[in-house]
Amino acid sequence: DIQVTQSPSTLSASVGDRVTITCRASQSISSWLAWYQQKPGKAPKLLIYKASSLESGVPSRFSGSGSGTEFTLTISSLQPDDFATYYCQHYNSYPWTFGQGTKVEIK
Amino acid sequence: EVQLVESGGGLVQPGRSLRLSCVASRFNFDDYAMHWVRQAPGKGLEWVSGISWNSGSIGYVDSVKGRFTISRDNAKNSLYLQMNSLRAEDTALYYCAKDMGNYGEHYGMDVWGQGTTVTVSS
Repeated sequence: DIQVTQSPSTLSASVGDRVTITCRASQSISSWLAWYQQKPGKAPKLLIYKASSLESGVPSRFSGSGSGTEFTLTISSLQPDDFATYYCQHYNSYPWTFGQGTKVEIK
Repeated sequence: EVQLVESGGGLVQPGRSLRLSCVASRFNFDDYAMHWVRQAPGKGLEWVSGISWNSGSIGYVDSVKGRFTISRDNAKNSLYLQMNSLRAEDTALYYCAKDMGNYGEHYGMDVWGQGTTVTVSS
């Protein structure tokens, strides 16, 4: 099974900061990776699919990059609404797996 | 608005069974793969199972193989998860989610329900 490892687990940042979260797959998954945002008590929200494609309605400050085994989610200028937990998830083959999550906290 | 509504959760004793349901509305349900994702209290997301648009391709996380069965009824716009031999570690909020890709394609999960809670305890 393919595992995905996300880092860091927690990130403290200020409004306006550039934030980067990394996801590593245990083997090549081409570009079959998605990123989600989850706020407390809410269902996850799809941000990025196919490693770098922005989901409709998602602000352009979110971007994804990478292929193979190394991927990143970047928030170019952190906004108050962005404080949440972020997950990567591969969909190369069953079983799909999520990363452990990165909680973005207010510094 | 595209919507998924889960039901069937509850408190169940270890070793017993439970069947979750998810009803979809306002999209062509039979065009898309569907998934179950769970989240244990205070923990991260875990993909549990997925089923293709025509039920021809099905997958499970290793921890539920042989105990859980995913199915769908396209005529009823419904997704199901039959959970047998439940364990304390199956306690979680279970989400139903729609695959963004249609037919055989996958692009991640773009529509989620509000979840239904399963608690396994004696």
